[in-house]
Amino acid sequence: DTEVTQTPKHLVMGMTNKKSLKCEQHMGHRAMYWYKQKAKKPPELMFVYSYEKLSINESVPSRFSPECPNSSLLNLHLHALQPEDSALYLCASSQARVNYGYTFGSGTRLTVV
Amino acid sequence: RKEVEQDPGPFNVPEGATVAFNCTYSNSASQSFFWYRQDCRKEPKLLMSVYSSGNEDGRFTAQLNRASQYISLLIRDSKLSDSATYLCVVNTWEKLVFGTGTRLLVSP
Repeated sequence: DTEVTQTPKHLVMGMTNKKSLKCEQHMGHRAMYWYKQKAKKPPELMFVYSYEKLSINESVPSRFSPECPNSSLLNLHLHALQPEDSALYLCASSQARVNYGYTFGSGTRLTVV
Repeated sequence: RKEVEQDPGPFNVPEGATVAFNCTYSNSASQSFFWYRQDCRKEPKLLMSVYSSGNEDGRFTAQLNRASQYISLLIRDSKLSDSATYLCVVNTWEKLVFGTGTRLLVSP
């Protein structure tokens, strides 16, 4: 299994809703990442988990809350989002924290209304 | 100055052409380097890693010049299916930082 699986593929949520994005990999990777990508822009790093511990938070607003229940799963909990948070949210994993390219999931396209 | 800089293009080339993309990075402590390809509304996919010794994968050749902090990608014999955005990516302190991408359009 060489894939990173993200669910759901599309999500529409209101500004008062609570929702979660899910990411799963079975490649034995010990580092997992959340990226946000706006249209016609490159992906921007949000969070890095290494060995199931949060190692990097790129000053992301607290309305985004990551969770890593185990080495294969990564969640992103969403609450009280704003319309400008609408974007493609990409999960990625890698064998190690440096020197290896990342494998990306197909993303969740989020629309906040 | 952006950490990773690329010409956004687009580069419009005919099938069979050779096209080269360049990228510069600002942090001399960067440790590893990649080219990713991203199709419209899809996720980025790793095209190839980039080494100082250069590496080749079929029609694609990548090169790293650490002294100049410069990365290149050469595509030979362009195919219609090569049309995509090519992202220069740098790993610095355990973070992948993406350039803005260079858009390539290959026409018949």
